Amino acid sequence: TQLLEQSPQFLSIQEGENLTVYCNSSSVFSSLQWYRQEPGEGPVLLVTVVTGGEVKKLKRLTFQFGDARKDSSLHITAAQPGDTGLYLCAGAANTGNQFYFGTGTSLTVIP
Amino acid sequence: DAGITQSPRHKVTETGTPVTLRCHQTENHRYMYWYRQDPGHGLRLIHYSYGVKDTDKGEVSDGYSVSRSKTEDFLLTLESATSSQTSVYFCAISESALQETQYFGPGTRLLVL
Repeated sequence: TQLLEQSPQFLSIQEGENLTVYCNSSSVFSSLQWYRQEPGEGPVLLVTVVTGGEVKKLKRLTFQFGDARKDSSLHITAAQPGDTGLYLCAGAANTGNQFYFGTGTSLTVIP
Repeated sequence: DAGITQSPRHKVTETGTPVTLRCHQTENHRYMYWYRQDPGHGLRLIHYSYGVKDTDKGEVSDGYSVSRSKTEDFLLTLESATSSQTSVYFCAISESALQETQYFGPGTRLLVL
């Protein structure tokens, strides 16, 4: 069962453009995390959001948790080639000890 | 970087053979996880451990078993490998509760012929 759907699946943009990645579910999560993964490596945590409506900023990256805690978005301003990678969202279930990962968004930023 | 190593990093095996993957951590974290990553599916949890000899099933546990006899080691065993288990396997650790940061190992690429 895929609880988290990410869109778009692939994104190729020019350096300096803005972009938004979406992470949607019909399930409610107690918290949601965003990871970035580079080829041949494991994912690395970018941010954790825990409150509905919460917005967190990490330099040029802005993360938002939906009011109902069912969805999230990642906005990148003025993308750089160093932002290239696979972006994964992961939601913590309200019960149990599991994170459910999204399908991933592969971002390529062209210099 | 968190001290997590996985071995082997690459393995090719034949259908029906047993395979054991090892995850070793030097952080003394309580929780350890095994995920598999496949195109179009993201990361899916296979099994996790919340202490020595304490394990539980994840989303895709069929065909896999785990053991944790020491805090630092978490083993994933494919009793009889199948081609559908061809994947990249990641180990992760977290210090305590699920809301904590998960630190991932470098991955093991497994090909079952």
